[in-house]
Amino acid sequence: AQSVTQPDIHITVSEGASLELRCNYSYGATPYLFWYVQSPGQGLQLLLKYFSGDTLVQGIKGFEAEFKRSQSSFNLRKPSVHWSDAAEYFCAVGGNAGNMLTFGGGTRLMVKP
Amino acid sequence: NAGVTQTPKFRILKIGQSMTLQCTQDMNHNYMYWYRQDPGMGLKLIYYSVGAGITDKGEVPNGYNVSRSTTEDFPLRLELAAPSQTSVYFCASSYVTGTGGHGELFFGEGSRLTVL
Repeated sequence: AQSVTQPDIHITVSEGASLELRCNYSYGATPYLFWYVQSPGQGLQLLLKYFSGDTLVQGIKGFEAEFKRSQSSFNLRKPSVHWSDAAEYFCAVGGNAGNMLTFGGGTRLMVKP
Repeated sequence: NAGVTQTPKFRILKIGQSMTLQCTQDMNHNYMYWYRQDPGMGLKLIYYSVGAGITDKGEVPNGYNVSRSTTEDFPLRLELAAPSQTSVYFCASSYVTGTGGHGELFFGEGSRLTVL
């Protein structure tokens, strides 16, 4: 069965600092990988996705993620965090059979001024 | 386009009551989903539908029912509400091609349900 682990439940960074959110997945074939962001009281919004090809993918709001097959990881990065990035971030994995995604438990990001 | 619209946004139920969460999308997406979100647990799939008239169970279907009579609507029914169903519920939709490729999921803003 597929699964996703986000090891960090909470992360606090200073505004302007770099950010890396970790995501490890378990999947038996080539995965489809996603990062979603959820602002308070809102639904989830897609940040970026990896299907195939270049393992470094660019997303919205200056985020990027790198697929590392050997480490079963898909970590999310941003070089300089803004206060508006404070939110909860979810990593998700899916496969070709249907379109059912499995989500990680989420990482809540807090940004210090 | 409104995207995915859920109603109500908030609801308090007594144990044993029933209710329906409404979900409608105006993007002509073929796939629709219901998830529940509990703190620290991420999102768990309750039911999904690949098209009008076709539904299937997800990871946590017990205590819920769904129907999909049209492409646009995918209501979630809670029968005999229990405190364990206190959660935030999200409806989502996506367009999946014939080859089964994953499309982006578009989410509603959520419905917060409390069962007392």
